Amino acid sequence: AQSVTQLGSHVSVSEGALVLLRCNYSSSVPPYLFWYVQYPNQGLQLLLKYTTGATLVKGINGFEAEFKKSETSFHLTKPSAHMSDAAEYFCAVRNTGNQFYFGTGTSLTVIP
Amino acid sequence: DAEITQSPRHKITETGRQVTLACHQTWNHNNMFWYRQDLGHGLRLIHYSYGVQDTNKGEVSDGYSVSRSNTEDLPLTLESAASSQTSVYFCASSRGAEHNEQFFGPGTRLTVL
Repeated sequence: AQSVTQLGSHVSVSEGALVLLRCNYSSSVPPYLFWYVQYPNQGLQLLLKYTTGATLVKGINGFEAEFKKSETSFHLTKPSAHMSDAAEYFCAVRNTGNQFYFGTGTSLTVIP
Repeated sequence: DAEITQSPRHKITETGRQVTLACHQTWNHNNMFWYRQDLGHGLRLIHYSYGVQDTNKGEVSDGYSVSRSNTEDLPLTLESAASSQTSVYFCASSRGAEHNEQFFGPGTRLTVL
């Protein structure tokens, strides 16, 4: 069975500071991994995804994530937070089926 | 541009009523999904479909049904609405390959009084 754990349901950072959102997964096979962002009253938008190849994946808006198989992690980072980054972030895993398994989300607050 | 739309965006109904939420995508995707989003639970899968005439139950399917008569639409029906079904509902679609992401609609906020 798949599961996704996002450590920290709420994260606050100062504008310009490093953003680190944590995601760990459990999977019996190498998974496909995704990060989505949700702005208030909107649907989810894809930030980035890992399928195969390079383990460091770059996404939109300056975000990137690194797939670490040994740690079963796919943490999301951004070197310098911007006010517009305030949103809900979801990590998701997809295996050989077509279903996604989502984490419970992390709400990011950016402090001016 | 291709898109995925949901209607209505907001709905208030009473306990016991039947409610249908519409989802329409113009991506020509085979796979379509319905999720509910609740605080502390993230997104939970209700039903999904891999193609016309195909439907499958997800994690929280009790009290919900779907039908897939064409590629573009996957309506979600609440047979007899309950207060526990007050939630935000998202429809999503994806192409068949495993590495492909899901594309989400804007959501429907449903309140059952």
